[in-house]
Amino acid sequence: SQTIHQWPATLVQPVGSPLSLECTVEGTSNPNLYWYRQAAGRGLQLLFYSVGIGQISSEVPQNLSASRPQDRQFILSSKKLLLSDSGFYLCAWSSGPYEQYFGPGTRLTVT
Amino acid sequence: QKEVEQNSGPLSVPEGAIASLNCTYSDRGSQSFFWYRQYSGKSPELIMSIYSNGDKEDGRFTAQLNKASQYVSLLIRDSQPSDSATYLCAVYAGGTSYGKLTFGQGTILTVHP
Repeated sequence: SQTIHQWPATLVQPVGSPLSLECTVEGTSNPNLYWYRQAAGRGLQLLFYSVGIGQISSEVPQNLSASRPQDRQFILSSKKLLLSDSGFYLCAWSSGPYEQYFGPGTRLTVT
Repeated sequence: QKEVEQNSGPLSVPEGAIASLNCTYSDRGSQSFFWYRQYSGKSPELIMSIYSNGDKEDGRFTAQLNKASQYVSLLIRDSQPSDSATYLCAVYAGGTSYGKLTFGQGTILTVHP
């Protein structure tokens, strides 16, 4: 069966500091991978998606970036965090244009 | 702008009742429809998917799709306090290989004993 991991689970970072969130998927090959952000009391905002190694597409211009160095690894980064980057970051995978399955998420607080 | 609309609620039902959650979408060409449940502080969990008009039942959950009316609903029978959560409707409009989903804002459901 497929499993998706995210770490860290929670993170408190000062404004201007860098960020690296990691997501890995087990039990499947060549998944589509997604990064979402959910601000407090808000809906899900798609940030990035990837259909293969090194293939990243951005949905929303911002100070975040994503990379996919391996087939089942997806990384979300920032060089300098803003207060507005606070939120619940969710990684998801799918086998195509079908159901998406979410990881446990990372709760980021920028202070 | 492709939109998915849900009543934000909160929807409050007594234990044992039927909870009815509704969702409308703007893109008439939408192909796939999903319901996710999100407990407070947790990530969304897929509970139902539906692709063709009609009803689809899974245990206490029934998803209903009416493409002509651009409407999808989720019925929860014999509601339990453990069903209290935010329910997210998601729609795949087609046309891409990466399967971008558009999510509604979610409906908060409270089941009281």
